[in-house]
Amino acid sequence: DAGITQSPRHKVTETGTPVTLRCHQTENHRYMYWYRQDPGHGLRLIHYSYGVKDTDKGEVSDGYSVSRSKTEDFLLTLESATSSQTSVYFCATRARSSYNEQFFGPGTRLTVL
Amino acid sequence: TQLLEQSPQFLSIQEGENLTVYCNSSSVFSSLQWYRQEPGEGPVLLVTVVTGGEVKKLKRLTFQFGDARKDSSLHITAAQPGDTGLYLCAGNFGNEKLTFGTGTRLTIIP
Repeated sequence: DAGITQSPRHKVTETGTPVTLRCHQTENHRYMYWYRQDPGHGLRLIHYSYGVKDTDKGEVSDGYSVSRSKTEDFLLTLESATSSQTSVYFCATRARSSYNEQFFGPGTRLTVL
Repeated sequence: TQLLEQSPQFLSIQEGENLTVYCNSSSVFSSLQWYRQEPGEGPVLLVTVVTGGEVKKLKRLTFQFGDARKDSSLHITAAQPGDTGLYLCAGNFGNEKLTFGTGTRLTIIP
């Protein structure tokens, strides 16, 4: 258990509204990641962070932004939600190893109507 | 962009049977991980393989890394209902990111 919590766990919103998802970790891990999981696509990386205020894009970053003002918190924002962003979102942290082993949070199920 | 292909995509077998799932790439991994995910939860790391030809065992699960480090397999002996879940392989290509396969959804029928 890497002490990762995500909030909210479920959210329903309407197209065009802003949405922020929060990931909180208690292990003081440097790296944090946001993924989305969709049927037939597996886990796809949205954005990741390698330190406070240090972030980079993943393979599906369009329409998403992130912020990391503290080691323990990594926020994912959908500036104007679209139906294509309906998904399950997972946060992960990276263990202190050479092999990029990751610990995942419980996920947030987001529905955009 | 590195791609990982997992096969089969779905597998449903009777309790007590053996099974193997596969993870393949055209690129060389620096290491590879297997995760299991249960409904409503995040993936959980099962094992990391690093060396070509490496074999690791976790109770009834046997993980093998290909000699060329481009493929891996997961073999389950005498499957049990508790093995039901989504099995994901993830390749580490030596950078800060993992590339995940699309997964094998395994159902064990009692």
